[in-house]
Amino acid sequence: SAVISQKPSRDICQRGTSLTIQCQVDSQVTMMFWYRQQPGQSLTLIATANQGSEATYESGFVIDKFPISRPNLTFSTLTVSNMSPEDSSIYLCSVVQGTIYNEQFFGPGTRLTVL
Amino acid sequence: SQQGEEDPQALSIQEGENATMNCSYKTSINNLQWYRQNSGRGLVHLILIRSNEREKHSGRLRVTLDTSKKSSSLLITASRAADTASYFCAVLDRGSTLGRLYFGRGTQLTVWP
Repeated sequence: SAVISQKPSRDICQRGTSLTIQCQVDSQVTMMFWYRQQPGQSLTLIATANQGSEATYESGFVIDKFPISRPNLTFSTLTVSNMSPEDSSIYLCSVVQGTIYNEQFFGPGTRLTVL
Repeated sequence: SQQGEEDPQALSIQEGENATMNCSYKTSINNLQWYRQNSGRGLVHLILIRSNEREKHSGRLRVTLDTSKKSSSLLITASRAADTASYFCAVLDRGSTLGRLYFGRGTQLTVWP
């Protein structure tokens, strides 16, 4: 399986600021996704990171708030912009190798606290 | 929505006992995946079972899938304190072209030494 790393692993930020989270994979992957897990909740998909084009966002998530880049097949970033305490969550990237019907593997997550 | 739903929400057992968690979903799926999450960390992939499969094993894990009942179960045999974690099921819709997984709320398993 792919080895996925995320930076930072955790951060505490002030409201109104922005944080960029990086996701690095040790091999080329077909698809990369960004999920959010609010405290005590399940995972919600934010968007699919598309290589070389704009991300595909889920309902309730917009590019201005969560801009995403994916410059190549092994790397993606998610920015949480103009943060508020409601953005306090764990943010996780995930990847699929080969077809979308294969296993989806997750990174270790970034725990974000907004004060 | 197609969200998977785990049952029970919480399960507390002694080491050595078996733990069974269930997952139900609403529509047709391509596959169902089980994950473990320790204390708010990343998700560890456990098993993927496809819609044409009925049972899979991996070490002490046994997963079953009943597409007629739209349900799956995860059995952990001879549990250990290290199995304490949250367990999630996630489904991939049959018609999915985007790879989007729908997650349940999870089962919190506590294994007492």
